[in-house]
Amino acid sequence: KAGVTQTPRYLIKTRGQQVTLSCSPISGHRSVSWYQQTPGQGLQFLFEYFSETQRNKGNFPGRFSGRQFSNSRSEMNVSTLELGDSALYLCASSLVPGDNNSPLHFGNGTRLTVT
Amino acid sequence: GENVEQHPSTLSVQEGDSAVIKCTYSDSASNYFPWYKQELGKRPQLIIDIRSNVGEKKDQRIAVTLNKTAKHFSLHITETQPEDSAVYFCAAVSGNTGKLIFGQGTTLQVKP
Repeated sequence: KAGVTQTPRYLIKTRGQQVTLSCSPISGHRSVSWYQQTPGQGLQFLFEYFSETQRNKGNFPGRFSGRQFSNSRSEMNVSTLELGDSALYLCASSLVPGDNNSPLHFGNGTRLTVT
Repeated sequence: GENVEQHPSTLSVQEGDSAVIKCTYSDSASNYFPWYKQELGKRPQLIIDIRSNVGEKKDQRIAVTLNKTAKHFSLHITETQPEDSAVYFCAAVSGNTGKLIFGQGTTLQVKP
């Protein structure tokens, strides 16, 4: 069974631009979560989607948005990029959200660099 | 709001020694506590988890303990090996929202 797939692996953007990151969950997984990882801040929760609906949202500005499609694939978008948005963005999937028997499986992440 | 504090941020031990990482959580409705290991340049991977109705769980050299009253949980690694060197993250899932919140991470270095 294929794991969580994130594309692209690396991105370089300039300030003010926007970016879209993609995540394909493990087959059969319907819940997708996004995290931002930076050296000083660890894993910061962005949002979680289930059945095309956002279930939870972290404390990020409105420039960060996401969506989930009917096939459970998810995208996140960051508009008006700032230097501080440079980070590794990790996507994780699980069978269903908030289920003790359905742990998160992470993708390899997308490394975003904003110059 | 939901918060998970993790200590220490860095930990260096000699091969064969034990390592302990501690976490506290703020949401009393939290009911599931996974631990993830992230090796350099790789994705976080689940290594062990514990549910709120259990006080301790062990898997070979790794054990996790949970004190619900104090809202503490800890990871214990015995007989450490160089391949245990990685960043370890604790996390707590809120029983109300289902949101998974991570601690800040502990960089463990096991010296041969």
